[in-house]
Amino acid sequence: DAGITQSPRHKVTETGTPVTLRCHQTENHRYMYWYRQDPGHGLRLIHYSYGVKDTDKGEVSDGYSVSRSKTEDFLLTLESATSSQTSVYFCATLDGNTGELFFGEGSRLTVL
Amino acid sequence: AQKVTQAQTEISVVEKEDVTLDCVYETRDTTYYLFWYKQPPSGELVFLIRRNSFDEQNEISGRYSWNFQKSTSSFNFTITASQVVDSAVYFCALSGGHGSSNTGKLIFGQGTTLQVKP
Repeated sequence: DAGITQSPRHKVTETGTPVTLRCHQTENHRYMYWYRQDPGHGLRLIHYSYGVKDTDKGEVSDGYSVSRSKTEDFLLTLESATSSQTSVYFCATLDGNTGELFFGEGSRLTVL
Repeated sequence: AQKVTQAQTEISVVEKEDVTLDCVYETRDTTYYLFWYKQPPSGELVFLIRRNSFDEQNEISGRYSWNFQKSTSSFNFTITASQVVDSAVYFCALSGGHGSSNTGKLIFGQGTTLQVKP
Protein backbone atom coordinates (compact mmCIF):
# COMPACT_ATOMS: atom_id res chain seq x y z
CA ASP A 1 0.00 0.00 0.00
CA ALA A 2 1.66 3.21 -1.18
CA GLY A 3 -0.74 5.56 0.57
CA ILE A 4 -2.38 6.89 -2.58
CA THR A 5 -5.58 8.84 -2.20
CA GLN A 6 -7.66 9.98 -5.15
CA SER A 7 -10.38 12.60 -4.94
CA PRO A 8 -13.13 12.79 -5.77
CA ARG A 9 -13.89 9.09 -6.04
CA HIS A 10 -17.06 9.73 -8.00
CA LYS A 11 -18.11 12.74 -10.03
CA VAL A 12 -20.89 13.50 -12.47
CA THR A 13 -20.52 16.63 -14.53
CA GLU A 14 -21.82 18.21 -17.69
CA THR A 15 -20.16 18.62 -21.04
CA GLY A 16 -18.04 21.73 -21.22
CA THR A 17 -17.34 22.11 -17.53
CA PRO A 18 -13.82 21.97 -16.08
CA VAL A 19 -12.91 19.06 -13.85
CA THR A 20 -9.87 18.46 -11.66
CA LEU A 21 -8.95 15.11 -10.18
CA ARG A 22 -6.44 15.00 -7.37
CA CYS A 23 -3.91 12.33 -6.51
CA HIS A 24 -2.17 12.51 -3.15
CA GLN A 25 0.61 10.16 -2.04
CA THR A 26 2.41 9.81 1.26
CA GLU A 27 5.42 7.73 0.15
CA ASN A 28 7.52 10.50 -1.37
CA HIS A 29 7.70 8.63 -4.68
CA ARG A 30 9.27 10.68 -7.44
CA TYR A 31 7.30 9.28 -10.37
CA MET A 32 3.54 9.60 -10.69
CA TYR A 33 1.13 8.65 -13.45
CA TRP A 34 -2.46 9.15 -14.55
CA TYR A 35 -4.22 6.35 -16.43
CA ARG A 36 -7.74 5.96 -17.71
CA GLN A 37 -9.60 2.67 -17.91
CA ASP A 38 -12.22 2.00 -20.54
CA PRO A 39 -13.96 -1.22 -21.55
CA GLY A 40 -12.00 -3.04 -24.23
CA HIS A 41 -8.91 -0.87 -23.80
CA GLY A 42 -7.42 -1.89 -20.51
CA LEU A 43 -5.62 1.07 -18.96
CA ARG A 44 -3.98 3.79 -21.02
CA LEU A 45 -1.47 6.37 -19.88
CA ILE A 46 -2.62 10.00 -19.99
CA HIS A 47 0.25 11.95 -18.44
CA TYR A 48 3.09 11.31 -16.07
CA SER A 49 5.44 13.25 -13.83
CA TYR A 50 9.09 12.62 -13.04
CA GLY A 51 9.39 15.30 -10.40
CA VAL A 52 7.98 18.57 -9.16
CA LYS A 53 6.98 20.69 -12.15
CA ASP A 54 8.28 18.00 -14.53
CA THR A 55 5.55 16.35 -16.55
CA ASP A 56 5.14 14.71 -19.92
CA LYS A 57 2.46 13.33 -22.20
CA GLY A 58 1.34 9.75 -22.41
CA GLU A 59 -0.58 7.82 -25.02
CA VAL A 60 -3.94 9.62 -24.68
CA SER A 61 -3.11 13.13 -23.49
CA ASP A 62 -5.40 15.19 -25.74
CA GLY A 63 -7.93 17.14 -23.71
CA TYR A 64 -6.01 16.73 -20.46
CA SER A 65 -3.46 18.76 -18.57
CA VAL A 66 -1.56 18.01 -15.38
CA SER A 67 0.32 19.86 -12.71
CA ARG A 68 2.65 18.88 -9.93
CA SER A 69 3.59 21.69 -7.57
CA LYS A 70 4.47 19.37 -4.68
CA THR A 71 5.94 15.88 -4.58
CA GLU A 72 2.84 14.47 -2.94
CA ASP A 73 0.19 15.91 -5.26
CA PHE A 74 -0.47 15.25 -8.95
CA LEU A 75 -3.51 16.96 -10.47
CA LEU A 76 -5.31 15.96 -13.64
CA THR A 77 -7.46 18.64 -15.27
CA LEU A 78 -10.05 18.39 -17.98
CA GLU A 79 -10.38 21.98 -19.16
CA SER A 80 -13.69 21.34 -20.90
CA ALA A 81 -15.06 17.88 -20.25
CA THR A 82 -16.52 15.83 -23.10
CA SER A 83 -18.59 12.67 -23.03
CA SER A 84 -15.62 10.71 -24.43
CA GLN A 85 -13.81 11.47 -21.19
CA THR A 86 -16.31 9.44 -19.20
CA SER A 87 -14.03 6.86 -17.67
CA VAL A 88 -12.39 5.53 -14.54
CA TYR A 89 -9.18 7.37 -13.78
CA PHE A 90 -6.35 5.79 -11.87
CA CYS A 91 -3.36 7.49 -10.35
CA ALA A 92 -0.17 5.51 -9.81
CA THR A 93 3.19 6.02 -8.17
CA LEU A 94 6.42 4.16 -8.80
CA ASP A 95 8.58 2.79 -6.04
CA GLY A 96 12.01 3.50 -7.50
CA ASN A 97 13.64 0.84 -5.33
CA THR A 98 11.44 -2.12 -6.19
CA GLY A 99 10.03 -1.02 -9.53
CA GLU A 100 6.54 -1.73 -8.29
CA LEU A 101 3.78 0.51 -9.58
CA PHE A 102 1.11 1.23 -6.97
CA PHE A 103 -2.36 2.33 -8.02
CA GLY A 104 -4.92 4.44 -6.26
CA GLU A 105 -8.51 3.27 -5.89
CA GLY A 106 -9.70 5.08 -8.98
CA SER A 107 -12.01 8.01 -9.69
CA ARG A 108 -15.14 7.37 -11.70
CA LEU A 109 -16.04 10.36 -13.88
CA THR A 110 -19.28 10.62 -15.82
CA VAL A 111 -19.68 13.45 -18.32
CA LEU A 112 -23.28 13.98 -19.40
CA ALA B 1 5.62 0.05 -31.00
CA GLN B 2 4.81 -1.85 -27.86
CA LYS B 3 1.72 -3.98 -27.63
CA VAL B 4 0.18 -6.48 -25.25
CA THR B 5 -2.44 -8.96 -26.36
CA GLN B 6 -4.68 -10.95 -24.05
CA ALA B 7 -6.69 -12.97 -26.52
CA GLN B 8 -8.99 -14.48 -23.92
CA THR B 9 -11.71 -11.98 -23.15
CA GLU B 10 -13.58 -14.14 -20.67
CA ILE B 11 -12.88 -17.48 -19.03
CA SER B 12 -15.26 -19.44 -16.85
CA VAL B 13 -14.13 -22.39 -14.74
CA VAL B 14 -15.46 -24.42 -11.87
CA GLU B 15 -13.76 -24.13 -8.52
CA LYS B 16 -10.62 -26.27 -8.10
CA GLU B 17 -9.90 -26.32 -11.81
CA ASP B 18 -6.56 -25.02 -13.03
CA VAL B 19 -6.70 -22.08 -15.42
CA THR B 20 -4.09 -20.36 -17.58
CA LEU B 21 -4.37 -16.77 -18.73
CA ASP B 22 -2.42 -16.00 -21.87
CA CYS B 23 -0.37 -12.88 -22.53
CA VAL B 24 1.61 -12.13 -25.69
CA TYR B 25 3.65 -8.98 -26.04
CA GLU B 26 5.53 -7.04 -28.69
CA THR B 27 8.47 -4.76 -28.06
CA ARG B 28 11.73 -3.74 -29.71
CA ASP B 29 13.37 -2.99 -26.39
CA THR B 30 16.00 -5.42 -25.19
CA THR B 31 15.31 -4.46 -21.61
CA TYR B 32 11.73 -4.41 -20.46
CA TYR B 33 9.43 -5.46 -17.65
CA LEU B 34 6.29 -7.54 -17.64
CA PHE B 35 3.54 -7.28 -15.06
CA TRP B 36 0.35 -8.94 -14.01
CA TYR B 37 -2.36 -7.08 -12.09
CA LYS B 38 -5.63 -8.33 -10.64
CA GLN B 39 -8.75 -6.17 -10.56
CA PRO B 40 -11.45 -7.69 -8.33
CA PRO B 41 -15.08 -6.56 -8.56
CA SER B 42 -14.34 -3.84 -6.00
CA GLY B 43 -12.26 -2.10 -8.68
CA GLU B 44 -8.81 -1.64 -7.21
CA LEU B 45 -5.71 -2.83 -9.04
CA VAL B 46 -3.66 -5.39 -7.16
CA PHE B 47 -0.04 -5.96 -8.16
CA LEU B 48 0.79 -9.64 -8.66
CA ILE B 49 4.21 -9.82 -10.28
CA ARG B 50 6.92 -7.89 -12.11
CA ARG B 51 9.43 -9.73 -14.26
CA ASN B 52 12.62 -8.43 -15.83
CA SER B 53 13.26 -9.40 -19.45
CA PHE B 54 16.57 -10.97 -18.51
CA ASP B 55 15.02 -13.33 -16.00
CA GLU B 56 13.27 -16.18 -17.76
CA GLN B 57 12.91 -18.37 -14.73
CA ASN B 58 9.38 -19.44 -14.00
CA GLU B 59 7.97 -18.19 -10.75
CA ILE B 60 5.57 -19.75 -8.31
CA SER B 61 3.76 -17.99 -5.51
CA GLY B 62 1.31 -20.21 -3.73
CA ARG B 63 -1.39 -21.18 -6.23
CA TYR B 64 -0.06 -18.69 -8.77
CA SER B 65 2.64 -19.41 -11.30
CA TRP B 66 4.04 -17.55 -14.26
CA ASN B 67 5.70 -18.87 -17.39
CA PHE B 68 7.91 -16.38 -19.23
CA GLN B 69 9.17 -17.40 -22.68
CA LYS B 70 11.09 -14.80 -24.67
CA SER B 71 11.18 -17.09 -27.70
CA THR B 72 7.42 -16.79 -28.08
CA SER B 73 7.08 -13.36 -26.42
CA SER B 74 4.66 -14.77 -23.90
CA PHE B 75 4.16 -14.31 -20.19
CA ASN B 76 1.36 -16.65 -19.16
CA PHE B 77 -0.26 -16.83 -15.75
CA THR B 78 -1.63 -20.03 -14.21
CA ILE B 79 -3.89 -20.34 -11.21
CA THR B 80 -3.87 -23.82 -9.71
CA ALA B 81 -6.95 -25.11 -7.90
CA SER B 82 -8.93 -21.97 -8.59
CA GLN B 83 -11.19 -20.47 -5.95
CA VAL B 84 -14.23 -18.23 -6.13
CA VAL B 85 -12.13 -15.38 -4.71
CA ASP B 86 -9.97 -15.56 -7.83
CA SER B 87 -12.86 -14.15 -9.86
CA ALA B 88 -11.57 -10.87 -11.26
CA VAL B 89 -10.22 -9.14 -14.31
CA TYR B 90 -6.55 -9.87 -14.86
CA PHE B 91 -4.31 -7.52 -16.78
CA CYS B 92 -0.96 -8.21 -18.32
CA ALA B 93 1.25 -5.16 -18.91
CA LEU B 94 4.59 -4.23 -20.43
CA SER B 95 6.97 -1.35 -19.80
CA GLY B 96 10.28 -0.24 -21.20
CA GLY B 97 13.30 -0.66 -19.02
CA HIS B 98 15.36 2.37 -19.92
CA GLY B 99 15.02 4.91 -17.16
CA SER B 100 12.84 4.81 -14.11
CA SER B 101 10.07 6.91 -15.64
CA ASN B 102 9.71 4.36 -18.43
CA THR B 103 9.30 1.61 -15.89
CA GLY B 104 5.99 3.11 -14.80
CA LYS B 105 4.75 3.78 -18.32
CA LEU B 106 2.81 0.59 -18.78
CA ILE B 107 1.14 -0.73 -21.88
CA PHE B 108 -1.79 -2.85 -20.76
CA GLY B 109 -3.57 -5.67 -22.45
CA GLN B 110 -7.34 -5.53 -22.66
CA GLY B 111 -7.74 -7.82 -19.69
CA THR B 112 -9.18 -11.29 -19.16
CA THR B 113 -12.28 -11.68 -17.03
CA LEU B 114 -12.06 -14.84 -14.97
CA GLN B 115 -15.17 -16.24 -13.40
CA VAL B 116 -14.75 -19.09 -10.96
CA LYS B 117 -18.00 -20.85 -10.18
CA PRO B 118 -18.56 -22.78 -6.95
